[in-house]
Amino acid sequence: EIVLTQSPGTLSLSPGERATLSCRATQSVSNTYLAWYQQKAGQAPRLLIYGASNRATGIPDRFSGSGSGTDFTLTISRLEPEDFAVYYCQQYGTSLRTFGQGTKVEIK
Amino acid sequence: QVQLVQSGAEVKKPGASVKVSCKASGYTLTTYDIDWVRQAPGQGLEWMGWMDPNSGDTGYAQKFQGRVTITRNISISTVSMELSSLTSEDTAVYYCARVVLTIRRGVYTYYGMDVWGQGTTVTISS
Repeated sequence: EIVLTQSPGTLSLSPGERATLSCRATQSVSNTYLAWYQQKAGQAPRLLIYGASNRATGIPDRFSGSGSGTDFTLTISRLEPEDFAVYYCQQYGTSLRTFGQGTKVEIK
Repeated sequence: QVQLVQSGAEVKKPGASVKVSCKASGYTLTTYDIDWVRQAPGQGLEWMGWMDPNSGDTGYAQKFQGRVTITRNISISTVSMELSSLTSEDTAVYYCARVVLTIRRGVYTYYGMDVWGQGTTVTISS
C-alpha cells in the first residue's frame, strides 16, 4: 500500500502570500494518478488538481500542481480569503486508493 | 446537473450494521466507478473501497476487509455501502464520490474524484 505523507501539518499564512504544500509517497506514483482536494469545514472535498498538474473545471489559475515520482507539490500563488482550508493529496491505484493526512492552511 | 445524493443520517448501536446509499443523477451510473470515503470527527479523509457499477467488481481497503460490502442497484442508479460490527470508532461522515478514469489507446488517465455526495453522518452510540 502506498502511504502519502503531507507536510507541513499546518501552514499559517496571510492573504496574498504564497502557499507551498508537499505530498511525499512511499513508492513511486505515476503523475497520471495523483490528485489534490480542498475541504472546507462542514463541506465535502472538492477536486482541485488531477494528473499531478491539471486544474479541474472551474479551479482558478492561482492553484498549480507539480512533481513526479514520490514528491508532489500544490502551490497557491496568492492566497485569497476563501483558500483557507484543508488540502489533501490522493493517489489512485487499480484496486487501492489512499489519501494523505492533510495540510491545514490557516490565517496568520 | 451531475450529482450524488446520499441517504440520511443514522444512529446505530455498537455491534449493529449500517447501510448508506448514494444515488447518481445527471449521468449513467455504469460509466464511472464509485468510491467510498469516510471522515471521523476532526480527522482526515480515509478511503474505504470502490465499485465498478458496470461489472459489479469491488475492492476494499485492508482495514475494512470482511466488514464492508459495496453493492449496486442499476435500475435506480444507486450504489450502497454497508458496514458491519460497528464500534464507536466508526462514528464518521461517510461520502461517496465519482471516480473518473478513461482509457484511450491503452493509456489510462485519472481525472480524480470529481463529484461527491453531501455526506452521511453515522453515529455509533449505546
